[in-house]
Amino acid sequence: QITLRESGPTQLKPTQTLTLTCTFSGFSLTTGGVGVVWLRQSPGKAPEWLAHLYWNEDERYSPSLESRLTVTTGTSKNQVVLTLTNVDPVDTATYYCAHSFDYYDNRGYLSSAFDVWGQGTVVTVSS
Amino acid sequence: AIQLTQSPSSLSASVGDRVTITCRASQGISSAFAWFQQKPGKPPQLLIYDASTLESGVPSRFSGSGTGTDFTLTIDSLQPEDLATYYCQHFDTYLSSFGQGTRVDI
Repeated sequence: QITLRESGPTQLKPTQTLTLTCTFSGFSLTTGGVGVVWLRQSPGKAPEWLAHLYWNEDERYSPSLESRLTVTTGTSKNQVVLTLTNVDPVDTATYYCAHSFDYYDNRGYLSSAFDVWGQGTVVTVSS
Repeated sequence: AIQLTQSPSSLSASVGDRVTITCRASQGISSAFAWFQQKPGKPPQLLIYDASTLESGVPSRFSGSGTGTDFTLTIDSLQPEDLATYYCQHFDTYLSSFGQGTRVDI
């Protein structure tokens, strides 16, 4: 059974750096076709994709946030860490990590599905 | 970036109804398209991926279809537990975007 759990600070002040840890079980990030995705969701809004760490250590970021985001493996083999620098009140949201698996779409392109999500962690940015 | 527009933004239906939610892309896209269900206070749950593949464990009353720019989620025989917000999502060249959501009330 795949499970993921997000952890980190619940409150930050503007300009600080947000560091969140995703601790997972039931899969290995070294298995081909597997990945961990970070997303966030503001109240009443749709989820927003932030970053994706693939099994082969490839990293992908949302273009609008790329300069502020970093995703890495943690100190344990079952952890992925997201760092968001220079936070602002607009970064207030519930942050999720999710397991992803790869498949080929109808054009033969590699795609990913986000099939198991953590419960999320609420982060508030306020002075 | 590809924009996804869902319609309607909300709907009210009765138990047993057939419900259809549409998502239109700003340009033609591949089948790398998914639908999620989100209940209040819970994370989104994957229902459909690759436009029409039902995720394991999801009831068969949910189905997805579409190609090009128009994609559809259909719920046959709506159940009380289907009260939720539904989101479409596209994955393209390692980037992902979501529709704005459709709230389903019963």
